[in-house]
Amino acid sequence: GAVVSQHPSWVICKSGTSVKIECRSLDFQATTMFWYRQFPKQSLMLMATSNEGSKATYEQGVEKDKFLINHASLTLSTLTVTSAHPEDSSFYICSARYRYHTEAFFGQGTRLTVV
Amino acid sequence: QQPVQSPQAVILREGEDAVINCSSSKALYSVHWYRQKHGEAPVFLMILLKGGEQKGHDKISASFNEKKQQSSLYLTASQLSYSGTYFCGTATEGAQKLVFGQGTRLTINP
Repeated sequence: GAVVSQHPSWVICKSGTSVKIECRSLDFQATTMFWYRQFPKQSLMLMATSNEGSKATYEQGVEKDKFLINHASLTLSTLTVTSAHPEDSSFYICSARYRYHTEAFFGQGTRLTVV
Repeated sequence: QQPVQSPQAVILREGEDAVINCSSSKALYSVHWYRQKHGEAPVFLMILLKGGEQKGHDKISASFNEKKQQSSLYLTASQLSYSGTYFCGTATEGAQKLVFGQGTRLTINP
């Protein structure tokens, strides 16, 4: 399968600081990237969908000013958690696909801990 | 709207078969199956498109009944490596987003 690389794998930050997570498609052009959040033993909750060169579409209840998503190129999307607080601690996973209704491949995930 | 998976959990002995179901209240265009092991990212298994597809690889296969908006994942002669949580993701026609079910935890014992 295609390779999606997500960095960092884990990050510990202080409350009030911002954290940036990168998601790269290494061997294909990702027209669409998805960002998910996953709590322990729970499902993947879609946060937003981003298309290259366009503003991200956020799911209901997701604060777009807190979770900034940028999809500047066909191989890179970033998620910035601004002014992070302990309740933002979670496992964040990106996935990328080439076009509609094709398989989406996941990055390794980033475990964010806010202290 | 989130698809519904059943069962929520299943425990098998190595060599037994398992079926995991995924159903939606919406008209689906595609169904995607993934397996996730603890602490890792989901791994793509297969995708089924509208039109009543059936697919398989090794001892894992799946079907998509578009009339019922249901998909089933079949694990035959299960191996220890099949343990993990299985998620179905669904997409409606023309929609970009992929929405996942709550997951089915599969445990394979020796």
